[in-house]
Amino acid sequence: RKEVEQDPGPFNVPEGATVAFNCTYSNSASQSFFWYRQDCRKEPKLLMSVYSSGNEDGRFTAQLNRASQYISLLIRDSKLSDSATYLCVVSLSGNTPLVFGKGTRLSVIA
Amino acid sequence: NAGVTQTPKFQVLKTGQSMTLQCAQDMNHEYMSWYRQDPGMGLRLIHYSVGAGITDQGEVPNGYNVSRSTTEDFPLRLLSAAPSQTSVYFCASRINTGGEQFFGPGTRLTVL
Repeated sequence: RKEVEQDPGPFNVPEGATVAFNCTYSNSASQSFFWYRQDCRKEPKLLMSVYSSGNEDGRFTAQLNRASQYISLLIRDSKLSDSATYLCVVSLSGNTPLVFGKGTRLSVIA
Repeated sequence: NAGVTQTPKFQVLKTGQSMTLQCAQDMNHEYMSWYRQDPGMGLRLIHYSVGAGITDQGEVPNGYNVSRSTTEDFPLRLLSAAPSQTSVYFCASRINTGGEQFFGPGTRLTVL
């Protein structure tokens, strides 16, 4: 089983739609969780960290379910500019390597 | 701050040639790492370093060497380039206790 698994998509959604991505991780000792965003031919950038209690940043909501070992990202009121690949990222502790999922591609259509 | 910088942006090599991809950061980050990204494969860790003088192998280290003589710089050396090393290479850095990892803009390498 891969360490971090994501549905590759693509998810094609109209502007204004709500879309959700899930990600599962295999190592129950994982401590830190993130969502990164990568635009075409660009470097990945942090979208948001994921906390145990769940957290929200504007139209984006991230949740963590430790018991089932999955992380979710919800995007409300999708914009054209949300089109990108979303990477689920997990790590064991502060100075251990981040483990990246292969990403989920989102296309928001006018 | 310039953040994480990488040079060159593009490079074409012939099989068997060697070269060094440069990476530098000005954020005083202890942790630095190199990834390669290929279509359908995601980001794969090549080597990483938790501080000057300390390096370790990642998932795909064969054919690559690294050294970390200063906090700022983390060069990646291709010893004898092969077509299988055609990829986009990203350098990244962060503080050792976790938090946001910053990536450089990438180097697009083609080996003929």
